[in-house]
Amino acid sequence: DTEVTQTPKHLVMGMTNKKSLKCEQHMGHRAMYWYKQKAKKPPELMFVYSYEKLSINESVPSRFSPECPNSSLLNLHLHALQPEDSALYLCASSQAASGNQETQYFGPGTRLLVL
Amino acid sequence: AQSVTQLDSQVPVFEEAPVELRCNYSSSVSVYLFWYVQYPNQGLQLLLKYLSGSTLVKGINGFEAEFNKSQTSFHLRKPSVHISDTAEYFCAVTPLSGGYNKLIFGAGTRLAVHP
Repeated sequence: DTEVTQTPKHLVMGMTNKKSLKCEQHMGHRAMYWYKQKAKKPPELMFVYSYEKLSINESVPSRFSPECPNSSLLNLHLHALQPEDSALYLCASSQAASGNQETQYFGPGTRLLVL
Repeated sequence: AQSVTQLDSQVPVFEEAPVELRCNYSSSVSVYLFWYVQYPNQGLQLLLKYLSGSTLVKGINGFEAEFNKSQTSFHLRKPSVHISDTAEYFCAVTPLSGGYNKLIFGAGTRLAVHP
């Protein structure tokens, strides 16, 4: 099973709302990632978790707050977002976060619209 | 630092014709190379990757790519495309060693297969 699942598929939120995106994998992977993909652009790395610890934060604004409650789950908490944060948010996982030959497996993404 | 250039933003092609999607990279260190495909409204799926060894790499769905170190290229080819190959294709690199598994993506090439 090489599946990464993400919920919800679509999310519409106002600028004052608080919402969360969820990502789950059951491949025993110890690294998980959040990417942001704007329309017609490549994915951009936001965060990397390795063994449930935050390893990389690519200077992401604090209105995005990641959380890794266990090795299978990754959340992204959203608060006070701006319309320019509207994008496809992709989760990925890999066997490990170092050892750069590891394949990253991507979920289908959550399409977020901020009004 | 690494960068990836995908020379064509769009490639239209007729069904059953061959196709080549071009990718060049720049890096001061050795890199691993990847091709990912993104079908409409989906996440990314690994097509193939080059880690070491034979410079001709075969992937899923009949795709192959050739690593050319002297030209710093990793072009993707398929001898006969199908309508179902219509998608966005991303070339990506990650350094061989050091740091975390950070994929650097090119801007993407939209392959449009016409009947």
